Amino acid sequence: RKEVEQDPGPFNVPEGATVAFNCTYSNSASQSFFWYRQDCRKEPKLLMSVYSSGNEDGRFTAQLNRASQYISLLIRDSKLSDSATYLCAVLFSGGYNKLIFGAGTRLAVHP
Amino acid sequence: EPEVTQTPSHQVTQMGQEVILRCVPISNHLYFYWYRQILGQKVEFLVSFYNNEISEKSEIFDDQFSVERPDGSNFTLKIRSTKLEDSAMYFCASKEEQSSNQPQHFGDGTRLSIL
Repeated sequence: RKEVEQDPGPFNVPEGATVAFNCTYSNSASQSFFWYRQDCRKEPKLLMSVYSSGNEDGRFTAQLNRASQYISLLIRDSKLSDSATYLCAVLFSGGYNKLIFGAGTRLAVHP
Repeated sequence: EPEVTQTPSHQVTQMGQEVILRCVPISNHLYFYWYRQILGQKVEFLVSFYNNEISEKSEIFDDQFSVERPDGSNFTLKIRSTKLEDSAMYFCASKEEQSSNQPQHFGDGTRLSIL
């Protein structure tokens, strides 16, 4: 089983739609979780950290389910500018906090 | 907002040559990382660095790779004898403290092309 798995997509949605991505992780001792956004051939940019109680930042909501070992990202009212690849990143326990990334889920928002 | 900066943005090198990729982490950050991303693949951890020494490295980070913090600001990745398969985007990242809740911030990358 891969350490961090994501549905590669692409998710093609119209502007204004709500879209959700899931990410599963294999190590139950994982400590922290993040969503990054990556535009084509650019660096990963932190979108949000994922807290145990769930958290929201504007149109974005992140949830963590430790029992089932997955995290989710919900985007409401999609904008054209949301088109990107969304990377799930997991921090495994121990070591000096290396991030393990999923392969990413591609989102394409169309007019 | 403070940023991680990387130079050069694109490096083209003949196979077998040495390359040095440079990074300037955010100034008050203490933990530094290198990641790479081969075209079309996921971002992969290479190495972490703290207190002037390597704290963890991946299987990818073999004897051809080394890292250094030669002064108070730069953090470098050296590949001694490049191979075709080293062609990738290389991202530097930094973090302020060891707390697991602190996110890592990434530079805009160096595209390394090995001919």
